Amino acid sequence: GEDVEQSLFLSVREGDSSVINCTYTDSSSTYLYWYKQEPGAGLQLLTYIFSNMDMKQDQRLTVLLNKKDKHLSLRIADTQTGDSAIYFCAEPSRGSQGNLIFGKGTKLSVKP
Amino acid sequence: DTAVSQTPKYLVTQMGNDKSIKCEQNLGHDTMYWYKQDSKKFLKIMFSYNNKELIINETVPNRFSPKSPDKAHLNLHINSLELGDSAVYFCASSQGLAGIQETQYFGPGTRLLVL
Repeated sequence: GEDVEQSLFLSVREGDSSVINCTYTDSSSTYLYWYKQEPGAGLQLLTYIFSNMDMKQDQRLTVLLNKKDKHLSLRIADTQTGDSAIYFCAEPSRGSQGNLIFGKGTKLSVKP
Repeated sequence: DTAVSQTPKYLVTQMGNDKSIKCEQNLGHDTMYWYKQDSKKFLKIMFSYNNKELIINETVPNRFSPKSPDKAHLNLHINSLELGDSAVYFCASSQGLAGIQETQYFGPGTRLLVL
């Protein structure tokens, strides 16, 4: 079945780099997504990567894609307390066009 | 302007009641969704609605029914509310169903508490 796996918790110190990992199941996924959910808020699209790319960089964010291992990671450089949130990895559903399959989310805690 | 909006933001109600949550998107998107996020923050798709075609997650009880008066709105009606329905409900929309058009934009959520 379709499944997106993430570790549930990550704790880092302010200024360090954070790496959030995700594994997905559908090798034919065209796009893979990272969403951010701040406390008490909805999900915001953080970034996405097209499947023919290995890496995408956007300011402090770096997305790495290993298609062979179906592994996606999100690196946040110089992590700030404002980065504390839940980060969801998502892939398109193979069985239901238009639907996204979300991971359980990784709660990132940033300590001062 | 808020792209995807939901009302109410908070909803507290008694078991057995019927309630509705409204969702509106001003992005001109063709597809709308409802998600349920439980207390552990796990997110599950409930419905997607595109050009009057409704796709239902088979695990969703038939007490839940989406209603779309027009392309910009997808409301969620819940009959005979149960304690287990307490959760945060998110509405989302996307431009289409394929490629980058499937990128979904989320509303702020409706926090439902059933007593």
